[in-house]
Amino acid sequence: DQQVKQNSPSLSVQEGRISILNCDYTNSMFDYFLWYKKYPAEGPTFLISISSIKDKNEDGRFTVFLNKSAKHLSLHIVPSQPGDSAVYFCAASASGTYKYIFGTGTRLKVLA
Amino acid sequence: DAGITQSPRHKVTETGTPVTLRCHQTENHRYMYWYRQDPGHGLRLIHYSYGVKDTDKGEVSDGYSVSRSKTEDFLLTLESATSSQTSVYFCAISGGIGQGAIGSYEQYFGPGTRLTVT
Repeated sequence: DQQVKQNSPSLSVQEGRISILNCDYTNSMFDYFLWYKKYPAEGPTFLISISSIKDKNEDGRFTVFLNKSAKHLSLHIVPSQPGDSAVYFCAASASGTYKYIFGTGTRLKVLA
Repeated sequence: DAGITQSPRHKVTETGTPVTLRCHQTENHRYMYWYRQDPGHGLRLIHYSYGVKDTDKGEVSDGYSVSRSKTEDFLLTLESATSSQTSVYFCAISGGIGQGAIGSYEQYFGPGTRLTVT
């Protein structure tokens, strides 16, 4: 049973527009969430995180929103740039476990 | 960038042979992890370590063993490689001093090892 789900395998967005990547989780013990970006032939790169005490965290063009009641988080990228084209993974962890469960990823393509 | 290296970066081996992958960090982070990445599955945790000689299983640990004899090195061993273990393997670290709130840490990943079992 997949505890962290990214139901959209791919997404295409025009340059300058907003990209919204979604992630759902099932385990109510998860209280820390992370987003990673991955380019081909490289390791994932940490982007942004959010803990369950917040519902929003912003870092430059990247904003993560957390809806605990819906067990849903989303990553917004505004404005999208061609260099943002990559696979994005969300991950979740329960405090004290130090184990992370990853989603299957969403491939974002930003069209110039 | 976190100082994480993986070796080898590429390896081709035959079914039934033992294989050891190495992860080395220079960051003195407490936690180290091994993941595999496969199409349609994302990143799946194989084993992780929460200190020297302290390890635990992840989601897909069957057929793999690990060892951590010193803080900086975390080894992943496939005792008898099978074709289903063909994958890209990533090491990650977390839990550095001052990093994140208690109970929550960002992970930093190595460049990966592409393993092909023929």
